[in-house]
Amino acid sequence: KNEVEQSPQNLTAQEGEFITINCSYSVGISALHWLQQHPGGGIVSLFMLSSGKKKHGRLIATINIQEKHSSLHITASHPRDSAVYICAVRGGADGLTFGKGTHLIIQP
Amino acid sequence: SAVISQKPSRDICQRGTSLTIQCQVDSQVTMMFWYRQQPGQSLTLIATANQGSEATYESGFVIDKFPISRPNLTFSTLTVSNMSPEDSSIYLCGGQGAYEQYFGPGTRLTVT
Repeated sequence: KNEVEQSPQNLTAQEGEFITINCSYSVGISALHWLQQHPGGGIVSLFMLSSGKKKHGRLIATINIQEKHSSLHITASHPRDSAVYICAVRGGADGLTFGKGTHLIIQP
Repeated sequence: SAVISQKPSRDICQRGTSLTIQCQVDSQVTMMFWYRQQPGQSLTLIATANQGSEATYESGFVIDKFPISRPNLTFSTLTVSNMSPEDSSIYLCGGQGAYEQYFGPGTRLTVT
């Protein structure tokens, strides 16, 4: 079974700062997801990656398959980015295995 | 993209009773899943809901406790049986599309 580790567990930053959240996993995967969960529980899919890099607005996600590692970056962070960010991996046709999440707070 | 709805959104149940949660997807997804999020924790996969056949359960979850049905491509149910306070969690339905994973809004269950 895949072990998914995220760091940091908690992160507080000032508005405008560049944010990096890291995710590592133990077993080869078919895809990696970055998810965002706001207070109240709703989960939004930010990215699905199998290789390389994706960008959407101020969010950038990268993955290194050989090193079994992915990063989520937020540029020009804003208080509305405050949420829990979750890394999740898929092996084959299985459901997702989730990291514990990174609690991000952006202070004005 | 797919939109997933769940019913009920929340419920308070007495121990020993059962609750059935419904999940409806507005378009076809290749796979449907059920997840649990215990208080303060991340998500855990309960099972993959297979159309017309028995669900595939993850270690630690059994059919007698969490029976699942998926009669067609866009609908599934999860029943939480013989509930105890330890079953108090958010239960989420998920669907796998071609390019992303979709999640329902969750069902917040409290067992007293």
